[in-house]
Amino acid sequence: NAGVMQNPRHLVRRRGQEARLRCSPMKGHSHVYWYRQLPEEGLKFMVYLQKENIIDESGMPKERFSAEFPKEGPSILRIQQVVRGDSAAYFCASSPGTGNYGYTFGSGTRLTVV
Amino acid sequence: KNQVEQSPQSLIILEGKNCTLQCNYTVSPFSNLRWYKQDTGRGPVSLTIMTFSENTKSNGRYTATLDADTKQSSLHITASQLSDSASYICVVSYGGATNKLIFGTGTLLAVQP
Repeated sequence: NAGVMQNPRHLVRRRGQEARLRCSPMKGHSHVYWYRQLPEEGLKFMVYLQKENIIDESGMPKERFSAEFPKEGPSILRIQQVVRGDSAAYFCASSPGTGNYGYTFGSGTRLTVV
Repeated sequence: KNQVEQSPQSLIILEGKNCTLQCNYTVSPFSNLRWYKQDTGRGPVSLTIMTFSENTKSNGRYTATLDADTKQSSLHITASQLSDSASYICVVSYGGATNKLIFGTGTLLAVQP
């Protein structure tokens, strides 16, 4: 069991480019969550998805950010027209369901906007 | 406002010593409290999870306590090792939903030889 896999581990983008972050949940997990961690701050919830559905996107910025979790393949967090303030570590977590246990984080993608 | 506060912000101890990290929260309605260990450049890894009715839980050299009345939790690390150097994050879940988590900013622990 490879755990939650995120790629790339590091991503550098110029201002105005698009960033695509991928997350493959643990085997058997159908719930995916994205978090953002800014330097010196705690993780902040962005979006919660199940296969083909967005359950809660209350933490997502209204513009430029989108997420999907298709029937086949990894979950994708997409940031269009990146700005320097988007530089952060983006973590994905997955869980098997709605219980308390089995919530597992990936190692994150560190996005740097230059 | 739902908040999780941790203290101290950072801590340096010598290898083999014990230490205690603190977490205070104002989160409602409370579901559970979790402690995570986050190594530099890695994702958080779960150490313990406690529900309202549990007031202590151990995982090896880590022991977490929870006082739901005062809304305080602590993480005690016994006989520290160099590999314990990491950020320790207190996370409170609320509302019964898996995505309703409030993260503290963590205590950065450095264990020195």
